[in-house]
Amino acid sequence: AQSVSQHNHHVILSEAASLELGCNYSYGGTVNLFWYVQYPGQHLQLLLKYFSGDPLVKGIKGFEAEFIKSKFSFNLRKPSVQWSDTAEYFCAVSGNTPLVFGKGTRLSVIA
Amino acid sequence: DAGVTQSPTHLIKTRGQHVTLRCSPISGHKSVSWYQQVLGQGPQFIFQYYEKEERGRGNFPDRFSARQFPNYSSELNVNALLLGDSALYLCASSVAWGIAEKLFFGSGTQLSVL
Repeated sequence: AQSVSQHNHHVILSEAASLELGCNYSYGGTVNLFWYVQYPGQHLQLLLKYFSGDPLVKGIKGFEAEFIKSKFSFNLRKPSVQWSDTAEYFCAVSGNTPLVFGKGTRLSVIA
Repeated sequence: DAGVTQSPTHLIKTRGQHVTLRCSPISGHKSVSWYQQVLGQGPQFIFQYYEKEERGRGNFPDRFSARQFPNYSSELNVNALLLGDSALYLCASSVAWGIAEKLFFGSGTQLSVL
């Protein structure tokens, strides 16, 4: 069965700091990988996705993620966070089943 | 264009009661999925429907059921409610059925079971 682990429950950063949120998955076959974001009071929305090809994926709002197959990882990065990036971030994977989500990482960006 | 709409937005029930949650997908989307998000956890897959047929089911008891209508809207039904059913129930729609399909989520129905 597929599973997703997000290492950080809550991350607090100052504006302009760099961000890296960890995500590891367990599934032996071909996977599709996603990062979703949930801003306060809003619905879940897709940040970026990886299906195949270039393992470095660029998403909206300056986010990117790198798929490292040997490490079963799909970490999310952003060089310089803004206050508006405060949100809950979910990593998700689909292998042979519908999406399986991690528990989420809450990001708080302070001025 | 309207996004995925869910109703009601909030609901309070007591143990043992039954609840029906509704979802209207984005126009043109034929697949609807339901997820349960317990506080502090990520969404957990309950059902997926495509063209009115169940295409996937998560690890939930038979008290949970769903259906999809000819207009592609969907209902999630939960019988004999338990306290542990308290959660945010999310509906997501996609153009077609498949593990690589991009999901568009609604804002959810917050269910509280007392």
